[in-house]
Amino acid sequence: AQKVTQAQTEISVVEKEDVTLDCVYETRDTTYYLFWYKQPPSGELVFLIRRNSFDEQNEISGRYSWNFQKSTSSFNFTITASQVVDSAVYFCALSGGAQKLVFGQGTRLTINP
Amino acid sequence: GAVVSQHPSWVICKSGTSVKIECRSLDFQATTMFWYRQFPKQSLMLMATSNEGSKATYEQGVEKDKFLINHASLTLSTLTVTSAHPEDSSFYICSARGQQGARRETQYFGPGTRLLVL
Repeated sequence: AQKVTQAQTEISVVEKEDVTLDCVYETRDTTYYLFWYKQPPSGELVFLIRRNSFDEQNEISGRYSWNFQKSTSSFNFTITASQVVDSAVYFCALSGGAQKLVFGQGTRLTINP
Repeated sequence: GAVVSQHPSWVICKSGTSVKIECRSLDFQATTMFWYRQFPKQSLMLMATSNEGSKATYEQGVEKDKFLINHASLTLSTLTVTSAHPEDSSFYICSARGQQGARRETQYFGPGTRLLVL
């Protein structure tokens, strides 16, 4: 069975602080994809990144960076110099052979001015 | 690119009526569309997977006669909540997956529909 765990239910930081959202996954598939989505208060899920299981290179996109480590089955997401607009619920998700998305429970991130 | 729309964004209806929600992929053809339900402060729950031209596949516990799904074209899927009751009130979100390349592996989500059944 596939499972995604986001142990941090809520995180609150002050603007400009760096923050890391943790994601740990379980799967028996050898080929799989990992995702991060952002859900602002409006409700829409915004796609942030997709990573396949054969590509462990870390990725940076502006203030966002992702650390994929197969050895620990983790796909963590870091926001550098956080801003109020980063406040949202962030979901980590996994897609394997069945190609269905399995979501974590989400982490509610609040950036305080 | 990869824009998915949903209509309506909000709907309030009386108990016993049926409500249709549309999901459209605007700039790509979607082989597969998915319907999710989300309760407040919870994660997304997959309801069904719909493939163009074939019957939807429902997740365990989801009533297929209650939630009718039609995927008539590569850009449109509809979810009809039949004989809606207050317990059907929720946030419904669709997603679409493309046919080729990166879009084949990624689900792009619509803005969601908030349903309130009185």
